[in-house]
Amino acid sequence: SQQGEEDPQALSIQEGENATMNCSYKTSINNLQWYRQNSGRGLVHLILIRSNEREKHSGRLRVTLDTSKKSSSLLITASRAADTASYFCATSGGSYIPTFGRGTSLIVHP
Amino acid sequence: GAVVSQHPSRVICKSGTSVKIECRSLDFQATTMFWYRQFPKQSLMLMATSNEGSKATYEQGVEKDKFLINHASLTLSTLTVTSAHPEDSSFYICSASRDNSIYEQYFGPGTRLTVT
Repeated sequence: SQQGEEDPQALSIQEGENATMNCSYKTSINNLQWYRQNSGRGLVHLILIRSNEREKHSGRLRVTLDTSKKSSSLLITASRAADTASYFCATSGGSYIPTFGRGTSLIVHP
Repeated sequence: GAVVSQHPSRVICKSGTSVKIECRSLDFQATTMFWYRQFPKQSLMLMATSNEGSKATYEQGVEKDKFLINHASLTLSTLTVTSAHPEDSSFYICSASRDNSIYEQYFGPGTRLTVT
């Protein structure tokens, strides 16, 4: 299965700290995406990183991809209470349809 | 741009009745739309993929006669849960992708279905 597995399942930090979430997968991929979901809402696309890329940035977000280890990380720097949400990685291989992991629940305390 | 809406956002229905959920792409034409189901604190499980004007492709284990999908136009897909049962209670999310960016999906806000 291509399904990503996020780690940790839950993360609780103070505002201003950095939050790091990891995603591991089992088969080769074309790309990996990170999404954010606020409680009871739809998903918001954060970043797409292709298999030939190693790192991408978007604002306070930094995503890395290590295809040799079949893993990716999402770093949120200088976290804010508004970053509280669940974060999912989604992998796409031969099919362009992404497969989602279980997510990391992030709580940022003000 | 790339806004997807869902209606209704919440619905409560009685066992045995049918419920229709609409998914619309508001400012773009969606070549493909996807329907997901999500249980509390769980991942999104893909139910089916639909292309405008053709039959939906259902994932293994999803009953196509129970979850009817109609992709009538490039901006509208509907999911009808027929003869709903309490175990169908869940959060249903649709997403849509464009021709020029099939890897990027735009998600609707979701529909919370409760079957009593």
